Amino acid sequence: GAVVSQHPSRVICKSGTSVKIECRSLDFQATTMFWYRQFPKQSLMLMATSNEGSKATYEQGVEKDKFLINHASLTLSTLTVTSAHPEDSSFYICSARDGGWVRGRNSPLHFGNGTRLTVT
Amino acid sequence: AQSVTQLDSHVSVSEGTPVLLRCNYSSSYSPSLFWYVQHPNKGLQLLLKYTSAATLVKGINGFEAEFKKSETSFHLTKPSAHMSDAAEYFCVVTLFTTTSGTYKYIFGTGTRLKVLA
Repeated sequence: GAVVSQHPSRVICKSGTSVKIECRSLDFQATTMFWYRQFPKQSLMLMATSNEGSKATYEQGVEKDKFLINHASLTLSTLTVTSAHPEDSSFYICSARDGGWVRGRNSPLHFGNGTRLTVT
Repeated sequence: AQSVTQLDSHVSVSEGTPVLLRCNYSSSYSPSLFWYVQHPNKGLQLLLKYTSAATLVKGINGFEAEFKKSETSFHLTKPSAHMSDAAEYFCVVTLFTTTSGTYKYIFGTGTRLKVLA
């Protein structure tokens, strides 16, 4: 159980275009989803926390107009990289936590398989 | 503030020998701690979690970790390494944030495990 599906797994786009990445929780409801960015051989950097039905909370230094997050349902969150540039090339990973507020900090995160974005 | 420190960026072991990946945490309250594994170009898979029940936690694939409050440690071990264990391992602690009203997950910098034949 607790499967998170992320699509696409790889995408190549031209500079200036926008790319949408989808993250779905397949067998559980995810009130909270997290978006991470990972540079080669580095740890995961939290970009934003997405709560269903409300605005995402972005980490310091992450441009909310560039990385648009929508969490319209309990099973789907999307990350749109707008006007992509080569420096946005990276590995993006979404994760979801099953259970709501009550479970809080004890709930493990379930991760998608990531999206490799290459901007040419 | 909550944080985790993974003391070794790289660990190499021979196949069949024990694995020890070290993690120390700091937390102002009783923490929840997790270990995740990441294979190349893949997402992360939960190995095990500590949530203030038993201090010795058993996970998948023969891994286990022991929570030691006196040492603020949560080291990951496995009695006998297998080639398929070669991957990146992350220690994670949770942090409550008032701005988002939820728990953030703070990642250590990771330890790359290499298993030699």
